[in-house]
Amino acid sequence: GAGVSQSPRYKVAKRGQDVALRCDPISGHVSLFWYQQALGQGPEFLTYFQNEAQLDKSGLPSDRFFAERPEGSVSTLKIQRTQQEDSAVYLCASSLSVLGRDTQYFGPGTRLTVL
Amino acid sequence: QKEVEQNSGPLSVPEGAIASLNCTYSDRGSQSFFWYRQYSGKSPELIMFIYSNGDKEDGRFTAQLNKASQYVSLLIRDSQPSDSATYLCAVNRDMDSSYKLIFGSGTRLLVRP
Repeated sequence: GAGVSQSPRYKVAKRGQDVALRCDPISGHVSLFWYQQALGQGPEFLTYFQNEAQLDKSGLPSDRFFAERPEGSVSTLKIQRTQQEDSAVYLCASSLSVLGRDTQYFGPGTRLTVL
Repeated sequence: QKEVEQNSGPLSVPEGAIASLNCTYSDRGSQSFFWYRQYSGKSPELIMFIYSNGDKEDGRFTAQLNKASQYVSLLIRDSQPSDSATYLCAVNRDMDSSYKLIFGSGTRLLVRP
């Protein structure tokens, strides 16, 4: 079946612009995660949804970052007033249930470049 | 100190050799441990997971966990050039409010033909 999809795959933004990144998880997956991966580093957790509820947003770097999953499926990560330090690959992952040991399946990522 | 530590490498091994990748973690509350492989420009894909102390084998891959030493490793037997990638170690505290993965920075593996 279809895996996790993300769009756009690449995004170039001028500093100060707002961007919206979309994630389509695997159908039926309850848990959805956003991670940020800087060059040469491992992914870093941003936020976690269980269905439509955002249960953990401790990793969001500032109040410029906002995520939602209004109907418990598609999720959007929005970054307002982008800064150069926001340049990274943004990965979305989903897992079937709410067990920590469930496999998280990653999407291809959105590479954001802020000029 | 980072929560999950890995040597960045590169770890270079000849084709057919055993590659040994190591990871230490700082939180004794960690419950689940994962190894992901990431090819350049691609997203991470799960190779193995382990929850209990000891060894777990899956084909050419063996994961080893020692919770007392807070150490997890991945052995790749009969290494192939196609195994050349970055290997990410990740841990999960398995808490009620979040199941986030904490990743190390990854070890780059290079298998020489």
